[in-house]
Amino acid sequence: AQKITQTQPGMFVQEKEAVTLDCTYDTSDQSYGLFWYKQPSSGEMIFLIYQGSYDEQNATEGRYSLNFQKARKSANLVISASQLGDSAMYFCAMREGLGGYNKLIFGAGTRLAVHP
Amino acid sequence: GAVVSQHPSWVICKSGTSVKIECRSLDFQATTMFWYRQFPKQSLMLMATSNEGSKATYEQGVEKDKFLINHASLTLSTLTVTSAHPEDSSFYICSARIGYGQETQYFGPGTRLLVL
Repeated sequence: AQKITQTQPGMFVQEKEAVTLDCTYDTSDQSYGLFWYKQPSSGEMIFLIYQGSYDEQNATEGRYSLNFQKARKSANLVISASQLGDSAMYFCAMREGLGGYNKLIFGAGTRLAVHP
Repeated sequence: GAVVSQHPSWVICKSGTSVKIECRSLDFQATTMFWYRQFPKQSLMLMATSNEGSKATYEQGVEKDKFLINHASLTLSTLTVTSAHPEDSSFYICSARIGYGQETQYFGPGTRLLVL
């Protein structure tokens, strides 16, 4: 069975500092995808970043980067220069399955609080 | 781009009634849509996957007759909660994927259902 583990229920960070949100995964598939989504209190799920298992370079999207360590099966999200608006739940997810019938498995989430 | 809408955003209904939730992809055609359920302070749990023009694939433990899913077109999927009961109260969120083989799911804003 595949699973996603986020061991940090909550994290605090000072505004303008960087923060790392941990995510480890378990899969026997060779091809898989890893995602991070942000969920503000409004409930919407906002796509942040994607890393494919065959991608050799870490994915980056603006202030977000994914620290992908394949051998350790970790896909940590790094948010640089935190902003107050970054306060939200963050979910790590993994694509399970191939082709048109793949689906996402989500971790339990990490609540990030950014302090001024 | 890749905007997904849901309607209604909030619904309160009496026990025993049926509730229909719509999920629309506004600026792209979604070959596959997904329906999730999220309880307070918990992660998203996939309920079913629907492909346009075919029957939905339900996850284990999800009652097909309770949660009717119709993916009538490439831009619209509906979830009907039949004979709703208080335990069906939850946050229901849909997502859409642009095409087969595409990785990223784009989420709607969610629908909060309260059954009295």
